[in-house]
Amino acid sequence: EADIYQTPRYLVIGTGKKITLECSQTMGHDKMYWYQQDPGMELHLIHYSYGVNSTEKGDLSSESTVSRIRTEHFPLTLESARPSHTSQYLCASSLTGVGSPLHFGNGTRLTVT
Amino acid sequence: SQQGEEDPQALSIQEGENATMNCSYKTSINNLQWYRQNSGRGLVHLILIRSNEREKHSGRLRVTLDTSKKSSSLLITASRAADTASYFCATSRTGANSKLTFGKGITLSVRP
Repeated sequence: EADIYQTPRYLVIGTGKKITLECSQTMGHDKMYWYQQDPGMELHLIHYSYGVNSTEKGDLSSESTVSRIRTEHFPLTLESARPSHTSQYLCASSLTGVGSPLHFGNGTRLTVT
Repeated sequence: SQQGEEDPQALSIQEGENATMNCSYKTSINNLQWYRQNSGRGLVHLILIRSNEREKHSGRLRVTLDTSKKSSSLLITASRAADTASYFCATSRTGANSKLTFGKGITLSVRP
């Protein structure tokens, strides 16, 4: 298994709360990604970063924000959680290069009540 | 629009049988990758095949790529109960900084 860690694994939180999902990798990868996946469904890219101080929005519109201050750390923040944010959030990283394989964390399953 | 689409959506086989899963895509690609996802976990990379390759093997896995038909297949031989998982194909389109696009996945159940 790859050295990429996500915390927490499960989170149940009330509407309106601010939350930060943590993602860290120890492989020195420049590229990092956040995907959203509903149960039994495809993955949707919501944010990605190609290096420190570089962040871009993905294909699926998301109300979350990300930051990349250090190579190994790529946290995702929701300023005001809503029930529509209930989903699984997967963090991944890869080496530089077109189409490099992704290494995934085990995900954070978020439930907003 | 969906770049990679797998079929069937679900597959149930007996242990020891072979499992074949297919993936079709729409645009030119740099490479195609297959991933496995066990329930409640992240995805694990299985195999990558480049656009100039036609077949690749890794252990009990065999992947083929037909760029003229824009399709790929993943064959798992001599399946085991531990192969029970969801399998996703992902395509990397041509072009710099291209990101991977995932299909909806195939749920494989291997009965002991």
